[in-house]
Amino acid sequence: SAVISQKPSRDICQRGTSLTIQCQVDSQVTMMFWYRQQPGQSLTLIATANQGSEATYESGFVIDKFPISRPNLTFSTLTVSNMSPEDSSIYLCSVGLSSGQYFGPGTRLTVT
Amino acid sequence: QKEVEQDPGPLSVPEGAIVSLNCTYSNSAFQYFMWYRQYSRKGPELLMYTYSSGNKEDGRFTAQVDKSSKYISLFIRDSQPSDSATYLCAMSEGYAGGTSYGKLTFGQGTILTVHP
Repeated sequence: SAVISQKPSRDICQRGTSLTIQCQVDSQVTMMFWYRQQPGQSLTLIATANQGSEATYESGFVIDKFPISRPNLTFSTLTVSNMSPEDSSIYLCSVGLSSGQYFGPGTRLTVT
Repeated sequence: QKEVEQDPGPLSVPEGAIVSLNCTYSNSAFQYFMWYRQYSRKGPELLMYTYSSGNKEDGRFTAQVDKSSKYISLFIRDSQPSDSATYLCAMSEGYAGGTSYGKLTFGQGTILTVHP
């Protein structure tokens, strides 16, 4: 498995501002993923992040709203830009290993 | 129609009961099947990972996959109050090379409560 940490664990932000979420893994991984879990809902993939290349976004998610960086094989960031209350969710990063996909603890975001 | 449908529950069972959690799917390209447990305010925890039809056992947990029927199940034996959580099934088409890396499509989750 992998040990995955995220910062911040939670935040309350004002409408129109941006928040950058960090994801750190304890080993080098090829692919990292960012998911969103809206209140009472299941998880939805936002984008896939490969080291050294542009992230691949799922339908309904765009780079201007959710820019992602992947500077090395153990780290990634997701920025939630120009936030609105509809962005209030839990944001989770995950990594793919031969034994399965593993998730971080999540960042709980509330936009007021 | 959603690609993955999960029995929504909620389920409430007495301690010691056998629990059955189920998902069906419509995408025949799914090759990798996972079950996650998610406690309140925590990230999903991988419980079981399978990629072939049949049963896989790990302690009190058994994952069952029937690709011909597009149906997967998770059985929990001798359920404990600590098993109370939301259970999520997830599936992936994988990537070339046979890895499980790839977009996971999740079921809606089943809330399980095991009462003493």
